[in-house]
Amino acid sequence: EPEVTQTPSHQVTQMGQEVILRCVPISNHLYFYWYRQILGQKVEFLVSFYNNEISEKSEIFDDQFSVERPDGSNFTLKIRSTKLEDSAMYFCASSERVQYFGPGTRLTVT
Amino acid sequence: AQSVAQPEDQVNVAEGNPLTVKCTYSVSGNPYLFWYVQYPNRGLQFLLKYITGDNLVKGSYGFEAEFNKSQTSFHLKKPSALVSDSALYFCAVRDLNTGGFKTIFGAGTRLFVKA
Repeated sequence: EPEVTQTPSHQVTQMGQEVILRCVPISNHLYFYWYRQILGQKVEFLVSFYNNEISEKSEIFDDQFSVERPDGSNFTLKIRSTKLEDSAMYFCASSERVQYFGPGTRLTVT
Repeated sequence: AQSVAQPEDQVNVAEGNPLTVKCTYSVSGNPYLFWYVQYPNRGLQFLLKYITGDNLVKGSYGFEAEFNKSQTSFHLKKPSALVSDSALYFCAVRDLNTGGFKTIFGAGTRLFVKA
């Protein structure tokens, strides 16, 4: 069964550093998403992406965040200058109608 | 604005007993409703969805959910719980009428099934 994959599974970075989280969505899906889940809290929508552009974003998704689909398979989330409060689990999802989620990348900012 | 409420942080049930995990929602238009399950250190797994049609929807692992428009609820149910059902369950909603892509998740309900 096709699935969304994410790399790395765990990323540790220092405050102020740039990180890129990578996702490979399900191949025939056209809609892509990033969510985050701070430890013990709810899953929060960050951004949706369709037709090579952002279709919707939340107030969390500020200028420090960007997304890109650099080729036909990858979908990335970049955080330019990480802050301690960016520490969270980041989930990628893709969809036709139902969103299917990847296993997540645990980002730890020290 | 869209919102989802899961009023119980935790639900405890004995194996073999029926379980219910509650969810209520608020959207301005027609809801597109989902349940997801999260096992420890894992991603979110899709269980079931409701768009239109029969109010009782069946999903994976024997779970079902009942859409109640008048009560704006979408409770998750299973007739006979298994220990392996112990996990964190999230209700989620999209507003079909706004055409937006954003899915709003509830805070989650932790289900403990005791042997």
